[in-house]
Amino acid sequence: GAGVSQTPSNKVTEKGKYVELRCDPISGHTALYWYRQSLGQGPEFLIYFQGTGAADDSGLPNDRFFAVRPEGSVSTLKIQRTERGDSAVYLCASSLTGVVGTEAFFGQGTRLTVV
Amino acid sequence: GNSVTQMEGPVTLSEEAFLTINCTYTATGYPSLFWYVQYPGEGLQLLLKATKADDKGSNKGFEATYRKETTSFHLEKGSVQVSDSAVYFCALNPRDDKIIFGKGTRLHILP
Repeated sequence: GAGVSQTPSNKVTEKGKYVELRCDPISGHTALYWYRQSLGQGPEFLIYFQGTGAADDSGLPNDRFFAVRPEGSVSTLKIQRTERGDSAVYLCASSLTGVVGTEAFFGQGTRLTVV
Repeated sequence: GNSVTQMEGPVTLSEEAFLTINCTYTATGYPSLFWYVQYPGEGLQLLLKATKADDKGSNKGFEATYRKETTSFHLEKGSVQVSDSAVYFCALNPRDDKIIFGKGTRLHILP
């Protein structure tokens, strides 16, 4: 696609429910990132994929958070038993790897509100 | 490990003032360096980048020079406008690891 696409753009869910957030990266980008951004803060790293595998998941806050990228393209961030503190904008980015100077391209984010 | 440190905000300036937002980094090897900008209500977008020492990235009147000797990539603009009000993020790409972002600097420009 032309850019990184994230769906849904907004999600309101009740505390304790399960949610899935989808990211469709730019075609051909092997690296995919998930970040979380709270109001007034910078992007907080969650997880980084190279192809299908999670190269670094050190930013996932706890075992309620999980992400997959089964075919090396689309990724899904899954949050179980949501809590009000999970409310934030979840950002996805993709980039090429092995290319000097490559930057990350961001989607518009999914605003998650847990009520 | 790799890290980015940028000056804390908010930074408030009058229109046409000179802007500097400091950014320093720690990295092994030769990372690429970036400045991203986030305008109110919008997503992050690349403002400029530099890929090797002494490179100068520039865009929309903003400039930053990759200084390996001081491990810095300070963002500058000679005359800011109200429309430059946004949050600015310094970032590095170490090439063989994930891209690292600074915490961001909020810039307010007063008319």
